Amino acid sequence: DAGVIQSPRHEVTEMGQEVTLRCKPISGHDYLFWYRQTMMRGLELLIYFNNNVPIDDSGMPEDRFSAKMPNASFSTLKIQPSEPRDSAVYFCASILQGYGYTFGSGTRLTVV
Amino acid sequence: GQQVMQIPQYQHVQEGEDFTTYCNSSTTLSNIQWYKQRPGGHPVFLIQLVKSGEVKKQKRLTFQFGEAKKNSSLHITATQTTDVGTYFCAGPNTGTASKLTFGTGTRLQVTL
Repeated sequence: DAGVIQSPRHEVTEMGQEVTLRCKPISGHDYLFWYRQTMMRGLELLIYFNNNVPIDDSGMPEDRFSAKMPNASFSTLKIQPSEPRDSAVYFCASILQGYGYTFGSGTRLTVV
Repeated sequence: GQQVMQIPQYQHVQEGEDFTTYCNSSTTLSNIQWYKQRPGGHPVFLIQLVKSGEVKKQKRLTFQFGEAKKNSSLHITATQTTDVGTYFCAGPNTGTASKLTFGTGTRLQVTL
């Protein structure tokens, strides 16, 4: 089991550019979560999916953020256009209901 | 909304000393989970407590869930440098078992 796989590990982009973060959950897990971590705000839930369906996107900061899960093995988080305040570590996590989260290694995003 | 606070925010101990972090929720929890995040790493699931007053041990780590199911603690006996990291508690949102609210975290530094 390779765990939750995120790509890229690091992303540096210029303000205004589109950024796409990718996540492959653990096979068989029925929930997928996108979190953002910063020193100031800690771990914030952005959105989560159950069986590929978005359940709660109330944590998505604004319309510049969007997330999709076209199938059980892939999800994307897109920021368009990116801004410096979006700089953070973005984590994807998956679970089988009733068990602890398995987090990916994260994507460290820097917007300059 | 639900809030989960942890104290202290930061603790620096000498190797061999004990360490305790406390977690308090604004609402009653059906369960509490604990995670450890090493510097530069991702949160890793440690344990889940479900029953009121439950105590679980993992080697030098002792986890406790309060009688009212609104607070929890993690105690490390005789810390080692490998214990360095940030410890998070997390509780499910009311009515949404799979969606967790993470605590603010306690960063532990251990020196020789």
